Amino acid sequence: GENVEQHPSTLSVQEGDSAVIKCTYSDSASNYFPWYKQELGKGPQLIIDIRSNVGEKKDQRIAVTLNKTAKHFSLHITETQPEDSAVYFCAASISSGNTGKLIFGQGTTLQVKP
Amino acid sequence: NAGVTQTPKFQVLKTGQSMTLQCAQDMNHEYMSWYRQDPGMGLRLIHYSVGAGITDQGEVPNGYNVSRSTTEDFPLRLLSAAPSQTSVYFCASSYQGAGETQYFGPGTRLLVL
Repeated sequence: GENVEQHPSTLSVQEGDSAVIKCTYSDSASNYFPWYKQELGKGPQLIIDIRSNVGEKKDQRIAVTLNKTAKHFSLHITETQPEDSAVYFCAASISSGNTGKLIFGQGTTLQVKP
Repeated sequence: NAGVTQTPKFQVLKTGQSMTLQCAQDMNHEYMSWYRQDPGMGLRLIHYSVGAGITDQGEVPNGYNVSRSTTEDFPLRLLSAAPSQTSVYFCASSYQGAGETQYFGPGTRLLVL
């Protein structure tokens, strides 16, 4: 079945630095790769996603890259701010119409030090 | 819209007790799912549903039952609670399937003694 590995489990950066979180997936049929941010005591929220027909997507300080050959995708956060501190999850799904499962990675706790 | 709502927020059970975690959404979403979140293990899919009357198993379905009699509601039942089911449970929904934005509820924290 589908498996998603996420690294690192914790990441500490200085404010203004960049942060990179990496994920690998097992099923080559996966075609949708979202990233979620979870703040303390809340449910996860989508921050960016990418589909398998695109190699890179950017939204202000956040970008995601996808390497289908290596079955690897990454989240890049530039100019980090204290409010970026949270738990980040990657996920992968094989979606076909109104079906499919979304499988999450183990999560990365990002701490941005002021 | 209230979005995705979950009740209760927190529950303590004794081993062997049963309970139902409630999940409701008012966005007319067809796809709903249940996850459990444990430290170091991320979010693991328990069960999901692609529409009323249709459910399927996720990664960790054992010990949990679901049903989907209406579009709005997707309750998760623990028939005989075990300490291993101590976790935070999240319900999520989307318009059509797994390949689009999932809207998560605020979670239910469950402690099984």
